[in-house]
Amino acid sequence: GQNIDQPTEMTATEGAIVQINCTYQTSGFNGLFWYQQHAGEAPTFLSYNVLDGLEEKGRFSSFLSRSKGYSYLLLKELQMKDSASYLCAVRSFQKLVFGTGTRLLVSP
Amino acid sequence: GAVVSQHPSWVICKSGTSVKIECRSLDFQATTMFWYRQFPKQSLMLMATSNEGSKATYEQGVEKDKFLINHASLTLSTLTVTSAHPEDSSFYICSARDRWSSYEQYFGPGTRLTVT
Repeated sequence: GQNIDQPTEMTATEGAIVQINCTYQTSGFNGLFWYQQHAGEAPTFLSYNVLDGLEEKGRFSSFLSRSKGYSYLLLKELQMKDSASYLCAVRSFQKLVFGTGTRLLVSP
Repeated sequence: GAVVSQHPSWVICKSGTSVKIECRSLDFQATTMFWYRQFPKQSLMLMATSNEGSKATYEQGVEKDKFLINHASLTLSTLTVTSAHPEDSSFYICSARDRWSSYEQYFGPGTRLTVT
């Protein structure tokens, strides 16, 4: 079966750092994506990991450990506009399987 | 580049009627498009994979006769919700994969369907 878990909600303050974890068990693995989604809008691409290690892109970094079935998204210097849902998705046999999503609330 | 549009952005229809949603890749060719459904405060659930020129592949539990998918060209896929019921009210999102890309999918802005 396919199982991708994320915390439901997280809160953080402006300027802080937050780490959103994702654990997965899927029947196939061809890479892991992180997306940001604001309410009522489509997801926007943040990062893609297919090999183990850390990928850094500005204020956002994503880490993958395939042996542990684990990834995290790290957001630095949080801004109010970062309040959104963050979706972890595993590419399994050409399809994207989405996690439950994490709602992040950034407060002043 | 890599823009995907959906039309309409929102629609209200009466129970029992059919609604068609279009998904277009505006500046690239998409041999594969995906249709997702998202209920409030939930994640995206894949409904079907649409391949240009062939029949769509539906996920388990999705009725192919109720959700008709047509992918007649490399830039257009349509989803028709037939005999809609209030429980079909949801946010429908399509995505498209560039035929020359190995991994990335580009998402449309979504269509909010409300069935009364």
